[in-house]
Amino acid sequence: GAVVSQHPSRVICKSGTSVKIECRSLDFQATTMFWYRQFPKQSLMLMATSNEGSKATYEQGVEKDKFLINHASLTLSTLTVTSAHPEDSSFYICSARPTGTRNTIYFGEGSWLTVV
Amino acid sequence: KNEVEQSPQNLTAQEGEFITINCSYSVGISALHWLQQHPGGGIVSLFMLSSGKKKHGRLIATINIQEKHSSLHITASHPRDSAVYICAVFNSNTGNQFYFGTGTSLTVIP
Repeated sequence: GAVVSQHPSRVICKSGTSVKIECRSLDFQATTMFWYRQFPKQSLMLMATSNEGSKATYEQGVEKDKFLINHASLTLSTLTVTSAHPEDSSFYICSARPTGTRNTIYFGEGSWLTVV
Repeated sequence: KNEVEQSPQNLTAQEGEFITINCSYSVGISALHWLQQHPGGGIVSLFMLSSGKKKHGRLIATINIQEKHSSLHITASHPRDSAVYICAVFNSNTGNQFYFGTGTSLTVIP
């Protein structure tokens, strides 16, 4: 089946630094990718929709200057958490929609971010 | 009120039992996904449904569009089925909006 790879799977960073998480579709092209955040025992929350070659669309309450999204190619989207704070510690997961499909979606393995 | 409601929230079953997880939604959808999330965090899409019924191995998913309800069944449950099962509905006609249920945590005891 289709694979979406996220890297790194776990990362620890110091407060004030920035950290980049990559989301790659390994065997298909994805014009649209989605970034989610999940707190313990809670559901996924959509942060932003990433479209290749254009600016991401952020959900209400998500700071676009803090969570920078770049979708520079049809197989790669990146999420950069800038000036990280401990409250940014969370599980971040991406999903990708194969180009040309409407309802098909594949999820990455997720990335655990801990800010100390 | 959440757009997607799942029940039960937690479920413990003995190995071999037949399991049903329910999902009700209140929004228009173009597809419904059943997802499986293991303790490590990664999510696997089990089914994508827009009507009827699908079967894959011991897993069966059904959807009733008129009643806005879907069920996920696991036959002959096994400890490796222990995970969180999430119902997610998607409407590609309204801005790629995904609505997620809060999940059902399943534990299958040997």
